[in-house]
Amino acid sequence: DAGVIQSPRHEVTEMGQEVTLRCKPISGHDYLFWYRQTMMRGLELLIYFNNNVPIDDSGMPEDRFSAKMPNASFSTLKIQPSEPRDSAVYFCASKGQGYNEQFFGPGTRLTVL
Amino acid sequence: AQSVAQPEDQVNVAEGNPLTVKCTYSVSGNPYLFWYVQYPNRGLQFLLKYITGDNLVKGSYGFEAEFNKSQTSFHLKKPSALVSDSALYFCAVRDPDSGGYQKVTFGTGTKLQVIP
Repeated sequence: DAGVIQSPRHEVTEMGQEVTLRCKPISGHDYLFWYRQTMMRGLELLIYFNNNVPIDDSGMPEDRFSAKMPNASFSTLKIQPSEPRDSAVYFCASKGQGYNEQFFGPGTRLTVL
Repeated sequence: AQSVAQPEDQVNVAEGNPLTVKCTYSVSGNPYLFWYVQYPNRGLQFLLKYITGDNLVKGSYGFEAEFNKSQTSFHLKKPSALVSDSALYFCAVRDPDSGGYQKVTFGTGTKLQVIP
């Protein structure tokens, strides 16, 4: 298995632009998690899905952030409009029903100028 | 509520010496505990977990961790450190009694520096 796949790996954009991050979980995994990692705040859970349904989005910073999972093999995290304080590394992780641990993707490093 | 604390921002150890990275936790019930490692510009990699059973858990790359319920600790250990072990280590906890809720709380991370 290729593991969790995220794209793009790096994204540089200007303030006010829309940013879309993508994630393909491990095949057969039914949980998908979006995290944000910064030096100041560490690793924060933004939202997680179970069987494509959002379960907890309490970590989403504000309405500028949205996440979708249209099918079992694809999820997006969108920021519109982006702000410099959104600069961070965003990780996607997935988990299978028979596992307790999560499997992380390589992350997307977002820089908002 | 569940929480985890890693009291050391950085741990330095000489190559070949034993290493310990500390972690304490707080949950209302019996915890699920995890250690992950993050190398530069990479995602987190699962090292080991405690779910139930033997308090000493063995994981990848020669790492092990000891669950201590009375001290609410889950310290990561390795008998002989390698330079390649230098990385950022995260402890994490989940409360399995939270009705199927899958949120895992991560610590702030401890940077391990193994000195040649």
